[in-house]
Amino acid sequence: EADIYQTPRYLVIGTGKKITLECSQTMGHDKMYWYQQDPGMELHLIHYSYGVNSTEKGDLSSESTVSRIRTEHFPLTLESARPSHTSQYLCASSEYNSGANTGELFFGEGSRLTVL
Amino acid sequence: GNSVTQMEGPVTLSEEAFLTINCTYTATGYPSLFWYVQYPGEGLQLLLKATKADDKGSNKGFEATYRKETTSFHLEKGSVQVSDSAVYFCALKAGYGGATNKLIFGTGTLLAVQP
Repeated sequence: EADIYQTPRYLVIGTGKKITLECSQTMGHDKMYWYQQDPGMELHLIHYSYGVNSTEKGDLSSESTVSRIRTEHFPLTLESARPSHTSQYLCASSEYNSGANTGELFFGEGSRLTVL
Repeated sequence: GNSVTQMEGPVTLSEEAFLTINCTYTATGYPSLFWYVQYPGEGLQLLLKATKADDKGSNKGFEATYRKETTSFHLEKGSVQVSDSAVYFCALKAGYGGATNKLIFGTGTLLAVQP
């Protein structure tokens, strides 16, 4: 069973508020990811990290930011939330891909954000 | 570029029916292929995987065969249950090592199984 945790699971906030979605994993994985999931289910990679002090933008542009100060922790922050940020946010992690390791992703349960 | 195309849903079946969810891919090299499942209110879980041509991944009665000649990785189950109701995602990872471990996901297929 994967050991990756997201908090909060559900968050309803007003426009203009700053929010941070937490993601922690206890598997010692170097790589971590944030995906945004549409109501129509499609997944979009918005941020990823190769390891401590590494952050990269994903395939979908996002106004959110991330940080990776510790291996196990990869929080996502929105400085000023808007209704267009309403979505489900999924965090994932994986081992470094080498040799026979296929680098499968382990996902948290998601954080559902609603901005009013 | 690399991409995954899977059949649109929703797929609605009666319990004990046969399930097929089609998935085809475009990729350079030799990708690894995955099926993930997302149950209501949860994150994604790996269902099965295959890392080379002709490999068959299987788990919980589901199976999929990596067909390089047809660039396909169709998901099948002989007899579905109500508890199989979920969203199923096909995914690929390009077949080279290094730091980019990004998976490319299909758009997801919602399966609803009725008793």
